[in-house]
Amino acid sequence: QQQVKQSPQSLIVQKGGISIINCAYENTAFDYFPWYQQFPGKGPALLIAIRPDVSEKKEGRFTISFNKSAKQFSLHIMDSQPGDSATYFCAASGFSGGYNKLIFGAGTRLAVHP
Amino acid sequence: KAGVTQTPRYLIKTRGQQVTLSCSPISGHRSVSWYQQTPGQGLQFLFEYFSETQRNKGNFPGRFSGRQFSNSRSEMNVSTLELGDSALYLCASSGRDSSLETQYFGPGTRLLVL
Repeated sequence: QQQVKQSPQSLIVQKGGISIINCAYENTAFDYFPWYQQFPGKGPALLIAIRPDVSEKKEGRFTISFNKSAKQFSLHIMDSQPGDSATYFCAASGFSGGYNKLIFGAGTRLAVHP
Repeated sequence: KAGVTQTPRYLIKTRGQQVTLSCSPISGHRSVSWYQQTPGQGLQFLFEYFSETQRNKGNFPGRFSGRQFSNSRSEMNVSTLELGDSALYLCASSGRDSSLETQYFGPGTRLLVL
């Protein structure tokens, strides 16, 4: 019940294409869903986040789509650029089992080819 | 504002030794969390400290411990190192008082156990 399942494990997209990464969660106590971007040699950096009271959030080329009933959320990167090549982690946060928890997905390695 | 800093950046130890890693959070942040990142297990939560108290912990053995000082700086200690402890250890700080949301990660300490 604590897992966040992320797919695909790796993704190759051509420059200008759309990158789509999907995540699913089980624990209905989760109420905050951030996405992190990690470049080699760096720590993860918060990219964009959403709460369950909205179905979509857009920031520039990055959009989160959220489906509360299906317990799924996804990251869309429009007009993907080589500089977007990184590992992306979805996460879910909420109060569960007496603690606040932030559970990460396994990560998606994105490569954008020029 | 300076980001989260971690020292050392790289460390090589042998089995059975112990290691102490250090983390300085963003100025004004009182919550510090530690994560272990490995290719096989992804990002796994170790523990969180807030105002010098461990407020939250993950599912790691007692060999992993931490503490936080009055200036919010935190240290993590791993005793009796095992080969499987080789990983990137990430520290993250948060400005919110009661949540793991909006975590700002440091660059990590890469630990290699031989």
